[in-house]
Order: sequence, then C-alpha cells, then structure tokens
Amino acid sequence: QKEVEQNSGPLSVPEGAIASLNCTYSDRGSQSFFWYRQYSGKSPELIMFIYSNGDKEDGRFTAQLNKASQYVSLLIRDSQPSDSATYLCAVRYSGGGADGLTFGKGTHLIIQP
Amino acid sequence: EAGVAQSPRYKIIEKRQSVAFWCNPISGHATLYWYQQILGQGPKLLIQFQNNGVVDDSQLPKDRFSAERLKGVDSTLKIQPAKLEDSAVYLCASSLVSLGELFFGEGSRLTVL
Repeated sequence: QKEVEQNSGPLSVPEGAIASLNCTYSDRGSQSFFWYRQYSGKSPELIMFIYSNGDKEDGRFTAQLNKASQYVSLLIRDSQPSDSATYLCAVRYSGGGADGLTFGKGTHLIIQP
Repeated sequence: EAGVAQSPRYKIIEKRQSVAFWCNPISGHATLYWYQQILGQGPKLLIQFQNNGVVDDSQLPKDRFSAERLKGVDSTLKIQPAKLEDSAVYLCASSLVSLGELFFGEGSRLTVL
C-alpha cells in the first residue's frame, strides 16, 4: 500500500516569512514527486514537480527531495496572503502503464497579513 | 485551449439511488483519470484510462462503481447504488501522454442523503 503522509495543519505563517511544508512517502520505488495547491472549493493545480535528489527552484517556490529519507518538502519564500490554501503532496510510481498519483491529505497553510 | 470539462457540478441524491458523472478531457489527451476527494482528504485514484482501455482500476469499488471511456475521448463514471460514504468531489484529470502533467477539471460534488 503506497502511502503519503503530511501534517494536516493548519500551519500559520506571517506574511513575508518562509513557509515550510513537509511530506513523507512509503514506497521506495516512487519515481516522481509533485506539489499541488488547492484553494477551497477548487481543483488542484500543479506548483512544482521534482524527480532527482536535491533542490529545485521556481520563483518563490523550492522543492526538496531526499530519496534516502523518503522525504519531500516545499518552501515558499516571501509568503503572501494569496498563498493561503491546502498544499497536496503527490507521488507517482509507474509500472505496467499505471502512473496515477498517490496524494497525501494535504497541509492547510494560512498566511497571516 | 479549453480545459477539462465536467458535469454536473453538483448533485444531491438519496442513498441507493444512482448517479452518473461526465468528463470531457483536453483535446488530444490520451490519458484520463477519475479521482475521489472526500472532504479533508487528498484525491484518491479510482481509475485510469489510456485511450479507451483501462490501465488501473485497483481502487475502484467495482460492486457499485463503473466507468467507461468510449472512443477514447469522453468518459462517464457511474455509481449504483450510492452509499452515504460516497459523498465526495469526483475529479476528472487528463494528461497528454502517460507520465505527463495532470490537468484537473473543476470536479463534480456529490452529496448522498
């Protein structure tokens, strides 16, 4: 059973600070890792994906992957009130043509003005 | 480019009734997914289609859920008979190719009374 664990929060961060979101996964065969943002009542939207160990930066967002520790994180710099949302960590393990994502429960992030 | 279209957006039914949801993926997208998202949880994959063939339906409750994708384009997800625990948002997603980025529709919110 592939599992993805996230702290459900809420995680409260002051505006302008760095928000740090964490995720662990159970299947060592997992090959790619995704962070989605979901506003209340809306569908998930992709923020970033990462395949290799280390850091990947995109604007204010940095994804970090440590496959040995089975750990993925997302850092949001200069947090804005518009970043308030639920952040979903997702893991892809592909085999036999099946490549659907396994999602965590999400972390609810609140950016305080 | 038009996004993933889903209908209906909202549906309220009594338990033991049936319901069907429709999804039209982005034009040209070969892979289509149906996810179930219960309130407070992350999306859970129900079924994956590659063109009009099923690639993964391991988490689909086949005693009550069925899905089809005729002609490799539109897809329908049916629940019969519905249970209270089926209350959720049903998300359809598509990707251009296997292992590609997923694009989600707005979802169909089901309430079972």
